[in-house]
Amino acid sequence: GDSVTQMEGPVTLSEEAFLTINCTYTATGYPSLFWYVQYPGEGLQLLLKATKADDKGSNKGFEATYRKETTSFHLEKGSVQVSDSAVYFCALLTGNQFYFGTGTSLTVIP
Amino acid sequence: GAVVSQHPSRVICKSGTSVKIECRSLDFQATTMFWYRQFPKQSLMLMATSNEGSKATYEQGVEKDKFLINHASLTLSTLTVTSAHPEDSSFYICSATWQGRAYEQYFGPGTRLTVT
Repeated sequence: GDSVTQMEGPVTLSEEAFLTINCTYTATGYPSLFWYVQYPGEGLQLLLKATKADDKGSNKGFEATYRKETTSFHLEKGSVQVSDSAVYFCALLTGNQFYFGTGTSLTVIP
Repeated sequence: GAVVSQHPSRVICKSGTSVKIECRSLDFQATTMFWYRQFPKQSLMLMATSNEGSKATYEQGVEKDKFLINHASLTLSTLTVTSAHPEDSSFYICSATWQGRAYEQYFGPGTRLTVT
């Protein structure tokens, strides 16, 4: 069945470090891919998305490229800030159903 | 942006009792709401989809008599866990959207249920 495998955390980085959170997926059709972020005490918020192969989603300095050949959608940011500390979820949407990864907790220290 | 709230944020109940969790869309009309469950270190699992004024559609393996979902208005859906047991302890998250736009769901902050 459809599924998402996400890099396990927690991840701790120093401010201004480079971030990569790996995400790979399994899907029978042509899913849309998403990254959601959850800040403490808040609901999941859409960070970025890509709806077809080779699309690049970007927002707030974060980027992810839909790679069909490697079934991946890795999240990257060139220089993280303390305010980026949160839990990040990779997800795919096929039909009308979301499949989420397990979430990766990121802590950025000054 | 669209805001979804959940109440309560945390609840502790005794085994055998029922507990109700509310999910509200604060600034839009939610024609469709989704209920998810998340176990520690696991992903969110869709439990059911509810459309306003209709019966909820449950995912395979989810007991509809145990997890009662009501979506009586365009801004409120409730999840009632009936005769709760310790294994029902989990993090319950709702999301809402309109016009069946599953790709544009807005999530609540979640409710932590602990059954003792």
